[in-house]
Amino acid sequence: QLQLQESGSGLVKPSETLSLTCAVSGGSITSDDHSWSWIRQPPGKGLEWIGYIFHSGSTYYNPSLKSRVTMSIDRSKNQFSLELSSVTAADTAVYYCAREGGENSYVSWFDPWGQGALVTVSP
Amino acid sequence: SSELTQDPAVSVALGQPVRITCQGDSLRTYYANWYQQKAGQAPVLVVYGKNKRPSGIPDRFSGSSSGNTASLTITGAQAEDEADYYCNSRDSSANHVFGTGTTVTVL
Repeated sequence: QLQLQESGSGLVKPSETLSLTCAVSGGSITSDDHSWSWIRQPPGKGLEWIGYIFHSGSTYYNPSLKSRVTMSIDRSKNQFSLELSSVTAADTAVYYCAREGGENSYVSWFDPWGQGALVTVSP
Repeated sequence: SSELTQDPAVSVALGQPVRITCQGDSLRTYYANWYQQKAGQAPVLVVYGKNKRPSGIPDRFSGSSSGNTASLTITGAQAEDEADYYCNSRDSSANHVFGTGTTVTVL
């Protein structure tokens, strides 16, 4: 059974860089059938997709965050990572990693999800 | 970017059916997926694509779509179905979009 687990800095100062890692267990991150996503949820609010990365290293980011997001993948450790630069209080959220699967270009979904990591941006 | 709109809240009597809707232009082209999020927990996929359910999801959850509207129906709502529900789809720019979320209360 595939499991994902986020880890990283829980408190980040404004203007600094948020860093999170998602460890994948129970399956390989090098699957050709899946990509790996980050999704966030500010306290009391809805979900926002941040972007995804393939095992090849190719990435696609939400245009609204693109200028500040970097994703990377470490095949040897079976994990992938997120960096978000120049953070503000608006970046305070629970950050989830998830596997993206799909049947074709018209449908893709997130399953499973990690348990989430709360990142607070505060001086 | 595309938007997906959901009713903020809906209530249902125990054992009765409830339908949650999701509206957006992207749904004319792309299938919707549905996620259940209970308080303090990560979202869980309950319906994806053309009305498919992951292993372990009860068959009282079903999905449908017409035009720019996708729906999630729970036939015979149970107390454990009380949660927030989010729809999601792709858009024409290959982005992922999430709906605004619906809180389901089981009375």
